[in-house]
Amino acid sequence: GEDVEQSLFLSVREGDSSVINCTYTDSSSTYLYWYKQEPGAGLQLLTYIFSNMDMKQDQRLTVLLNKKDKHLSLRIADTQTGDSAIYFCAELNQAGTALIFGKGTTLSVSS
Amino acid sequence: NAGVTQTPKFQVLKTGQSMTLQCAQDMNHNSMYWYRQDPGMGLRLIYYSASEGTTDKGEVPNGYNVSRLNKREFSLRLESAAPSQTSVYFCASSKRPDEAFFGQGTRLTVV
Repeated sequence: GEDVEQSLFLSVREGDSSVINCTYTDSSSTYLYWYKQEPGAGLQLLTYIFSNMDMKQDQRLTVLLNKKDKHLSLRIADTQTGDSAIYFCAELNQAGTALIFGKGTTLSVSS
Repeated sequence: NAGVTQTPKFQVLKTGQSMTLQCAQDMNHNSMYWYRQDPGMGLRLIYYSASEGTTDKGEVPNGYNVSRLNKREFSLRLESAAPSQTSVYFCASSKRPDEAFFGQGTRLTVV
């Protein structure tokens, strides 16, 4: 079945780059997603990448996809304290009816 | 613009009590979802509804029932609460399964 794996914690200093990694199992995934959860809130779609792309850049965010290794990463440049949150990697289930989430990576940014 | 509204925000139940978590969306989305979030487990899908009048089991449906009352509302019922159901519950809705909009969550404690 589908499975999405992430490391659980990442700690960085303000101004550094953050890289959050994810591996997934379903090679048929058309899109892969990153969601962000701020403290006490629900999840919000942050960005996504189409499976035929290697990279997508959106302001401070860069998504890299290695389809051969089924590895997805999210790079946040110039990390700010406001970026402190839980970041979830996600893919659609095989039926295409709902999202399957990883366990989430808690990003802690210190000043 | 309310988006996805969940009630209540917090609830404490005794083991064996029943309750219904309410969810309503005002975005005219066809699909709605219930997830639970537990530390170290990420989000797991409980039930989803692809359209009014249909519901399907997700990864962890045992101990729960759902009702898709109309296009706007999707409720989650715990018939006999157990401590293992202590969790944060999120309702989401979407026009497409991948771009889900989440509510603020219901923090449920079963003692």
